[in-house]
Amino acid sequence: EAGVVQSPRYKIIEKKQPVAFWCNPISGHNTLYWYLQNLGQGPELLIRYENEEAVDDSQLPKDRFSAERLKGVDSTLKIQPAELGDSAVYLCASSPSDRGQETQYFGPGTRLLVL
Amino acid sequence: RKEVEQDPGPFNVPEGATVAFNCTYSNSASQSFFWYRQDCRKEPKLLMSVYSSGNEDGRFTAQLNRASQYISLLIRDSKLSDSATYLCVVRNNFNKFYFGSGTKLNVKP
Repeated sequence: EAGVVQSPRYKIIEKKQPVAFWCNPISGHNTLYWYLQNLGQGPELLIRYENEEAVDDSQLPKDRFSAERLKGVDSTLKIQPAELGDSAVYLCASSPSDRGQETQYFGPGTRLLVL
Repeated sequence: RKEVEQDPGPFNVPEGATVAFNCTYSNSASQSFFWYRQDCRKEPKLLMSVYSSGNEDGRFTAQLNRASQYISLLIRDSKLSDSATYLCVVRNNFNKFYFGSGTKLNVKP
């Protein structure tokens, strides 16, 4: 079974530029999460989708971050414009349901460096 | 106050040693508890869920103490391959997951 796929794996951009990350969850997984992980910290939730609905986006900085999961399958996270402090690893995870008991399966992440 | 707190370590132990990590959580209404393992520059992977009655998986034992709001992970007979960061994860009563900052374990030959 294929795991969570993310692209790109690495991205280097200059500040004020836009950037987008893509995630394809495990087939059949209804719940999709985007996390941000800074060095030496645990992942922090940005947004959680149940199918195509964003059920928790309270931690998403909506002035510059946006996300979509139009068909309830793959998802895109965008930052515009990027700031130096956005340098981090962006992790996507999926789970079979929103019951919360299920394991979250993480993708390899996108490592973003903003110069 | 953070939702989940862990000692960052590192814990440096010799092969074969027994090592234990604790993690405290702030929300008494938290519903589910997990330990994830994260290798350097890799994604987190579920190590084990933590049940109220405690649970064991080979050399790994997890315990939950709801009264004191902490969970623990015990690793017996440490292997070099156990070297990693161990993340404590708590799901609250609103289905939101909180990750601790992780405890780093180094197992030395």
